[in-house]
Amino acid sequence: AQSVTQPDIHITVSEGASLELRCNYSYGATPYLFWYVQSPGQGLQLLLKYFSGDTLVQGIKGFEAEFKRSQSSFNLRKPSVHWSDAAEYFCAVGAHAGGTSYGKLTFGQGTILTVHP
Amino acid sequence: DAGVIQSPRHEVTEMGQEVTLRCKPISGHDYLFWYRQTMMRGLELLIYFNNNVPIDDSGMPEDRFSAKMPNASFSTLKIQPSEPRDSAVYFCASSRQGREKLFFGSGTQLSVL
Repeated sequence: AQSVTQPDIHITVSEGASLELRCNYSYGATPYLFWYVQSPGQGLQLLLKYFSGDTLVQGIKGFEAEFKRSQSSFNLRKPSVHWSDAAEYFCAVGAHAGGTSYGKLTFGQGTILTVHP
Repeated sequence: DAGVIQSPRHEVTEMGQEVTLRCKPISGHDYLFWYRQTMMRGLELLIYFNNNVPIDDSGMPEDRFSAKMPNASFSTLKIQPSEPRDSAVYFCASSRQGREKLFFGSGTQLSVL
């Protein structure tokens, strides 16, 4: 069975500092990997995805993530954090079940990001 | 487009009562997913539909939970009878052809007293 671990429950950074959120996955085949962001009281929004190819993927809002098969990791990064980035971030792995690569997801427990001015 | 619309936003009920959560997916989307978010278990997939047909309901916790999709623009998740441990945020999400971006609704915060 697939699983996702986000080791950090809560991270605090200063505005303008760099950010890295960790994600480790367990999956028997080539995974489909995602990062989502959730603002308070809102649904989840897709930041970026990895299906295949280039292991460094770019997403929205200046985020990027790197897939490292040898480490079973898919860490999210941003070079300079903005106060508006404060939210909860979820890493997810998807199984290619029929046509539902994007939808049948196993999520990590989430990392809450606090940004200090 | 208005996005995925869920109602109600908040629901407070007493144990033993029936609860119905509603979802309107984005027009043209043929996949619909119900997720539940709790502190203890995080985000879990409950069930998903393709073209109004339930495909995988293995995440539905027990027989008290049921979901329907009578047409392409409406789905319900029903809990009967409700229990305090059902308290959670329930999200509906939809996508087109299952291989495009998943759009989430704002969720229904359910509290069972």
